[in-house]
Amino acid sequence: DVVMTQSPLSLPVTLGQPASISCRSSQSLVYIDGNTYLNWFQQRPGQSPRRLIYMVSNRDSGVPDRFSGSGSGTYFTLKISRVEAEDVGVYYCMQGTHWPPYSFGQGTKLEIK
Amino acid sequence: EVQLVESGGGLVQPGGSLRLSCAASGFTFSNYPMHWVRQAPGKGPEYVSAISSNGGGTYYANSVEGRFTISRDNSKNTLYLQMGSLRAEDTAVYYCVRNSRVRVVDFDIWGQGTMVTVSS
Repeated sequence: DVVMTQSPLSLPVTLGQPASISCRSSQSLVYIDGNTYLNWFQQRPGQSPRRLIYMVSNRDSGVPDRFSGSGSGTYFTLKISRVEAEDVGVYYCMQGTHWPPYSFGQGTKLEIK
Repeated sequence: EVQLVESGGGLVQPGGSLRLSCAASGFTFSNYPMHWVRQAPGKGPEYVSAISSNGGGTYYANSVEGRFTISRDNSKNTLYLQMGSLRAEDTAVYYCVRNSRVRVVDFDIWGQGTMVTVSS
């Protein structure tokens, strides 16, 4: 099974400052079609997960452009250019290339300093 | 509006059974593979089960194999999860999730979840 490792697990950030979360997979996430199925999800307190980024770097509709995803192979990053109060929550990376089972990272809890 | 609405959760004793339902709307349900994903309190999401768009293929996590059964009724736009021999470690919020692709997993729509508590 593919293991997803996120860091940091806790991320205190000052409002207006940037934030970055990394995600590493135990094997390459490139599928036979050449695409990489690595997504990022945001889970605000008391809510369901919401997809922010799909296939490494594609922002979902309605997601602010301060969110961006990058990476390749086994190393991926989610960046927030300027953190706002509504960004508080837990962020998960997830791979869907190798399944079953797909796998999530442990989650990174973003809080405001 | 694309929507998934789960129901059927609740408190059940160890060894008991429960049937979860997920009503889909706003999209052509029969075109999409569907999944159940659970999240225990304070933990990350976890794979439970999946079903192909026509119901011909079903998949289960090792932890629920033989105890849970996933099914769907495309005429009713509804996904089900029959849960049996429930254990304390099955306590979690259960989400119905749409997979936007066929051979890989790419979750794009999540329901609001239904809480299942297994306790005596």
